[in-house]
Amino acid sequence: DSGVTQTPKHLITATGQRVTLRCSPRSGDLSVYWYQQSLDQGLQFLIQYYNGEERAKGNILERFSAQQFPDLHSELNLSSLELGDSALYFCASSPLVPNYGYTFGSGTRLTVV
Amino acid sequence: QKEVEQDPGPLSVPEGAIVSLNCTYSNSAFQYFMWYRQYSRKGPELLMYTYSSGNKEDGRFTAQVDKSSKYISLFIRDSQPSDSATYLCAIWGLTGGGNKLTFGTGTQLKVEL
Repeated sequence: DSGVTQTPKHLITATGQRVTLRCSPRSGDLSVYWYQQSLDQGLQFLIQYYNGEERAKGNILERFSAQQFPDLHSELNLSSLELGDSALYFCASSPLVPNYGYTFGSGTRLTVV
Repeated sequence: QKEVEQDPGPLSVPEGAIVSLNCTYSNSAFQYFMWYRQYSRKGPELLMYTYSSGNKEDGRFTAQVDKSSKYISLFIRDSQPSDSATYLCAIWGLTGGGNKLTFGTGTQLKVEL
């Protein structure tokens, strides 16, 4: 157990729908990162939050949004889902200066049908 | 040009072989260099990290960084079937977009009996 908790583990939904993925960071970590992993694209950085504030954005679609709450858990919202959004979504957390890497959760596997 | 380039493999070796995994990067602002291991359908886990040119050993694993040529390597000695996984290099640094951990696409390794 890495200490980063992601729910749900699996999600199957239809095109056009909206889903919410949840992440609880490792105790003491203030930063949360969301990554998307698909077979052909590898791990793609989506967005980072630090202590409730957005810090960096990567290749995140406008249909996707995220937030980090006062208790530091984070949610990634995916809307108007398309078949191509099917992927593994990982959350990672780190202390303020992550010079020794991030700790990843076990991911949410999203399947859009 | 991608910021981090990694040969995706797959790489298949016999048990006991020495494995060499490599990445190149383009941005000299990168400061910390990491290797993650990812088993199928699991989250990436940090194997090793280093911040200076040279070698760092941890058991059967050696990470090597050459900042002058922007080249990083991971060597696995006496490889075991349990080493079969995808290995991702990851590089962290302060860039114009804030602190950022950028991953290679991963090399799939299979160690056969």
